[in-house]
Amino acid sequence: EPEVTQTPSHQVTQMGQEVILRCVPISNHLYFYWYRQILGQKVEFLVSFYNNEISEKSEIFDDQFSVERPDGSNFTLKIRSTKLEDSAMYFCASSARQGQETQYFGPGTRLLVL
Amino acid sequence: AQSVTQPDIHITVSEGASLELRCNYSYGATPYLFWYVQSPGQGLQLLLKYFSGDTLVQGIKGFEAEFKRSQSSFNLRKPSVHWSDAAEYFCAVGAKAAGNKLTFGGGTRVLVKP
Repeated sequence: EPEVTQTPSHQVTQMGQEVILRCVPISNHLYFYWYRQILGQKVEFLVSFYNNEISEKSEIFDDQFSVERPDGSNFTLKIRSTKLEDSAMYFCASSARQGQETQYFGPGTRLLVL
Repeated sequence: AQSVTQPDIHITVSEGASLELRCNYSYGATPYLFWYVQSPGQGLQLLLKYFSGDTLVQGIKGFEAEFKRSQSSFNLRKPSVHWSDAAEYFCAVGAKAAGNKLTFGGGTRVLVKP
């Protein structure tokens, strides 16, 4: 069964450093998403992406964040200058369509900012 | 804005007993409703979903959920719990009008006693 994959599974970085989280969505899916879950808190929407541009972003997704689909398979989330409060589990998801459509989630990348 | 409440943070249930997890949502139009499960170290796996039609939906692993519009609820049930059902369960609401983003509840952690 096709699945969303994410790399790395864990990343530790120093505050102020740039990190890139990578995702490979399901191959025939067209809509891509990033969510995050700070330890002990809810899963929160960050951004959705379609047709090589951002469809919607939350207020969390400020100028420090960016997303990119650099090729036909990868979908990345970049944090330019990490802060302590960026420590969280980051989930990538993809769906075939909008509307009545299931989002399939990857296993997540646990990011720890020291 | 949409919101989801899962009133129970933790539930402990004996193996073989029935399980019901509560979910209440707030959204002005008809929502799309989902239940996801997260086992330790794993991503979010879809258990079941409701888009329209029959308000009782069947999912994987013997789970079912019932959409009750009058109560703004989408409770998850399983008649007989197995030890492998120990996990964290998330209710989520989505809607095309909301740009397809999912809004999650805080999750319910289920512990299964032998």
